[in-house]
Amino acid sequence: GQNIDQPTEMTATEGAIVQINCTYQTSGFNGLFWYQQHAGEAPTFLSYNVLDGLEEKGRFSSFLSRSKGYSYLLLKELQMKDSASYLCAVSMNRDDKIIFGKGTRLHILP
Amino acid sequence: GAVVSQHPSWVICKSGTSVKIECRSLDFQATTMFWYRQFPKQSLMLMATSNEGSKATYEQGVEKDKFLINHASLTLSTLTVTSAHPEDSSFYICSATGGSGGTEAFFGQGTRLTVV
Repeated sequence: GQNIDQPTEMTATEGAIVQINCTYQTSGFNGLFWYQQHAGEAPTFLSYNVLDGLEEKGRFSSFLSRSKGYSYLLLKELQMKDSASYLCAVSMNRDDKIIFGKGTRLHILP
Repeated sequence: GAVVSQHPSWVICKSGTSVKIECRSLDFQATTMFWYRQFPKQSLMLMATSNEGSKATYEQGVEKDKFLINHASLTLSTLTVTSAHPEDSSFYICSATGGSGGTEAFFGQGTRLTVV
């Protein structure tokens, strides 16, 4: 079966750095997505990693290790608006199907 | 980025009636569309995958006769919730691939369905 694990909730302070981890075991792997979702809204795309390594995009960076089935999303200089759920999702070979983890609710404290 | 439009954004219907939700890719041809359901404080659960001109592939546990999916063209997929019941109340979201972003999935705005 498919399994994508990420912490349920995390709390961090405004201006700080937080790392959200994701581990996966899936039958087939194209790449790994990170999405941000505010309550009641559709997810918005943050990153897509296919190859091992770190990709930086402004305040957000995403890392992938295919051999370890592991990824993390790194958020720097946290802002209150970063309070949201962060979804790790795996794109699988068959039909390019995308399976989501349960999401990590990130709370930012002033 | 590519735009996916989902309509309606919210709907309230009576138990036993059917509701149709549309998902359109506005500026690209969507080779594949996905339908997800999301209950409060939970993640997105994939319901089905649809490719233009072929039957949808449903995930285990999803009733294909209850959730009818039609992908008639490269820009339109519809989800019809038939004989809706209160337990079908949820947030339904479509996503589409095939834009310039490669395999990136672009999401519609979502539809909040309430069955009373």
